[in-house]
Amino acid sequence: GAVVSQHPSRVICKSGTSVKIECRSLDFQATTMFWYRQFPKKSLMLMATSNEGSKATYEQGVEKDKFLINHASLTLSTLTVTSAHPEDSSFYICSAMEENTEAFFGQGTRLTVV
Amino acid sequence: AQTVTQSQPEMSVQEAETVTLSCTYDTSESDYYLFWYKQPPSRQMILVIRQEAYKQQNATENRFSVNFQKAAKSFSLKISDSQLGDAAMYFCAYRSAFSGGSNYKLTFGKGTLLTVNP
Repeated sequence: GAVVSQHPSRVICKSGTSVKIECRSLDFQATTMFWYRQFPKKSLMLMATSNEGSKATYEQGVEKDKFLINHASLTLSTLTVTSAHPEDSSFYICSAMEENTEAFFGQGTRLTVV
Repeated sequence: AQTVTQSQPEMSVQEAETVTLSCTYDTSESDYYLFWYKQPPSRQMILVIRQEAYKQQNATENRFSVNFQKAAKSFSLKISDSQLGDAAMYFCAYRSAFSGGSNYKLTFGKGTLLTVNP
């Protein structure tokens, strides 16, 4: 299957700082990318859907000013957690897909805010 | 809105035995896709099997097969000859067949944690 690379796999940041997570499709053009958040032993919660070159569509309850999503190219989407706080600590997963094909997932990023 | 229900938070199976994981869903759409994903301790999401709603034939992938009952909105996963490496969290997921952006999003069930006993 296609490869989606997510970086970094782990990050620790200080409260109040911002952190950027990258999601790259390595061998296909990702017209649509998704960002999920997953709490321990829970399911994946969709945060937002992004299409290349347009603004992301955020799910209800997700703060768009806190979780900035940019999908500037067909191979790269970024999630920036702004002014991070300990409650933002979580596992973040991206997935990417070409037009109307199946989605492939990145390895995930464990964010710890101290 | 579509919903996906996995009623078994945990299941266990003996190595080499067969286990079935349950999934039901609710939708008003006639065409859609259903998936089973596996998430091992590494937390990498791995696609196990996919079913297209317009296909009556149940999908199979080696030791993995599904029992798709469209009228009952049921989509169970059968794992035959279970192996230690099958131990993972399994998620059932739904996706609309309509094209475009948000229609491609996956709706996940809460997951079933499968333990394989040697």
